[in-house]
Amino acid sequence: GENVEQHPSTLSVQEGDSAVIKCTYSDSASNYFPWYKQELGKRPQLIIDIRSNVGEKKDQRIAVTLNKTAKHFSLHITETQPEDSAVYFCAASWGVGLTGGGNKLTFGTGTQLKVEL
Amino acid sequence: AAGVIQSPRHLIKEKRETATLKCYPIPRHDTVYWYQQGPGQDPQFLISFYEKMQSDKGSIPDRFSAQQFSDYHSELNMSSLELGDSALYFCASSRLAGGYEQYFGPGTRLTVT
Repeated sequence: GENVEQHPSTLSVQEGDSAVIKCTYSDSASNYFPWYKQELGKRPQLIIDIRSNVGEKKDQRIAVTLNKTAKHFSLHITETQPEDSAVYFCAASWGVGLTGGGNKLTFGTGTQLKVEL
Repeated sequence: AAGVIQSPRHLIKEKRETATLKCYPIPRHDTVYWYQQGPGQDPQFLISFYEKMQSDKGSIPDRFSAQQFSDYHSELNMSSLELGDSALYFCASSRLAGGYEQYFGPGTRLTVT
């Protein structure tokens, strides 16, 4: 099955700095890579995602890059703010719109991001 | 916009008891997923349903069962509860024809004493 590794496990940055979180996956069939933000005791919140036919995607201060050959993808947050402090999870799935299955998410182990004033 | 609804939000049970968790997906979403998240852990996939049929199965104990009903809501039934079942249980939904995005409900916090 799919295995997703995520680094670092904790990340502390100063407000306004950039933060980068990296993930690697094992299954070359995976083709969908979402990132979730989770505050303590709350639901995982989808913040950005990328499909395997795209190398990079950006949404305001958040961007994700994907290297299919190396099987790794990264989350970049620029101009960090205190409200960015949370646990961030990367995930992978191989769902290609299959009606019989797929799409289950395999998560990385999470990165606790702390943005300090 | 309507979101995934889960009930109850909190549940306290004793060992060997049973529990039923309910999930109401976003309207027009046809696929439901259940995930279990232990303290400090990442969410672990349990089971999923597409159009009321089981579509995938993960690390779900035999003591657990689930189904999706004709109105697309889903229920996770847990029997012979153990202390280790204490966790946050999330339901997520997606619309297969609309893409791969999964949106999570607020979760049910199950505490087994």
